[in-house]
Amino acid sequence: GQSLEQPSEVTAVEGAIVQINCTYQTSGFYGLSWYQQHDGGAPTFLSYNALDGLEETGRFSSFLSRSDSYGYLLLQELQMKDSASYFCAVLGAGGGNKLTFGTGTQLKVEL
Amino acid sequence: GAGVSQTPSNKVTEKGKYVELRCDPISGHTALYWYRQSLGQGPEFLIYFQGTGAADDSGLPNDRFFAVRPEGSVSTLKIQRTERGDSAVYLCASSLTGQHSGANVLTFGAGSRLTVL
Repeated sequence: GQSLEQPSEVTAVEGAIVQINCTYQTSGFYGLSWYQQHDGGAPTFLSYNALDGLEETGRFSSFLSRSDSYGYLLLQELQMKDSASYFCAVLGAGGGNKLTFGTGTQLKVEL
Repeated sequence: GAGVSQTPSNKVTEKGKYVELRCDPISGHTALYWYRQSLGQGPEFLIYFQGTGAADDSGLPNDRFFAVRPEGSVSTLKIQRTERGDSAVYLCASSLTGQHSGANVLTFGAGSRLTVL
């Protein structure tokens, strides 16, 4: 099977940088993705890594280390609108062509 | 369509009733997924279609749950003899392809919130 671990809550101030970590277990690996979900909204795709290293998309970056089964999402210049839940999700051979999601990290951005 | 459309957005039903939830994926997306999300949890996989066929239905919790996608576009999730534990938000997602590069990038609909009384 597959499993993911991420912190349940993170709090940061507006303008700061925050890192949300994710560790995973999977047999076979085809990618680690990140999704954002505001309360009452749909999950929306942010980024994914299939290879080691950093992927940058505007204020958001995602990092992957396959040897450590570890990744993180980095959010820079935090804005109030970034307050949401963030999910990492893994696509692994053991799970077929489907994403397995973590339980999510609730990010609170404060003034 | 421009996005993934799900109907109804809210459904309240009584225990034991039959429910159908509909998903209209993005035009041209061959892969369609159903997930279920309970409060405070991540989306939980139910079933995945590649075209018209169910490529993986390992997430369906029991035989009360069934899904179809007869023409490779719109899909319907059917729940028989609903139970209170079925209450959740049912999310549909589509991707351009079910291959690895595409399967990482899902576009979700807004979900159907099911409440079983």
